[in-house]
Amino acid sequence: EVDLVESGGTLVHPGGSLRLSCEGSGFTFSTSWMTWVRQAPGKGLEWVAEIKPDGSVQGYVDSVKGRFTISRDNAENSVFLQMSSLRPEDTAVYYCARDASWGAMDIWGQGTVVTVSS
Amino acid sequence: DVVMTQSPLSLAVTLGQPASLSCRPSQSLVSRDGNTYVTWYQQRPGQSPRRLIYKVSNRDSGVPDRFSGSGSGTEFTLKISRVEAEDVGVYYCMEGTRWPYIFGQGTKLEIK
Repeated sequence: EVDLVESGGTLVHPGGSLRLSCEGSGFTFSTSWMTWVRQAPGKGLEWVAEIKPDGSVQGYVDSVKGRFTISRDNAENSVFLQMSSLRPEDTAVYYCARDASWGAMDIWGQGTVVTVSS
Repeated sequence: DVVMTQSPLSLAVTLGQPASLSCRPSQSLVSRDGNTYVTWYQQRPGQSPRRLIYKVSNRDSGVPDRFSGSGSGTEFTLKISRVEAEDVGVYYCMEGTRWPYIFGQGTKLEIK
């Protein structure tokens, strides 16, 4: 059974840092483009970042550039999102997903909640 | 960046009746390879998103055939031929031609 399990979400103060993790199973992780998508409370979906299978290319939405870093460890079937200089507007459920091709994300995790508040 | 405008934002449909959801990109989404990468997602209440349709009209396995996607250029449509109770949720279109991928704001489907 294919699965993605996120972890690491918690309450953090503005300006703080946090690292999210996502572990995949049941599919060939090392050849998969991996994505983070977030959803603020009561709002829609927002694509945050994506990483190429070998980790050599990353893309980010403008609002997180310079603050968030996506990385991966194929030996551990894991993708990470290092978040720094966090702002209240980063408060959201963060989903990890596999991008099967050109944004067609076919496997999603259950999400992990990040709350940025003082 | 492209803007994906969905309409209506909310839709109440009688069980068994059809529904039509629109997605209009602010510019043509044809990629350099000649393909159009529009994906439709369903998010039921309290659940993670689920892919329904990819590359405009390709239905995912396990998705009922009452769901269909169509369109080109700057107008795309998700149709549900006969709405069932399990279809309640929010539907998002998304374009995947280039980063950043852009989602529409979503259409909330309810039962009348």
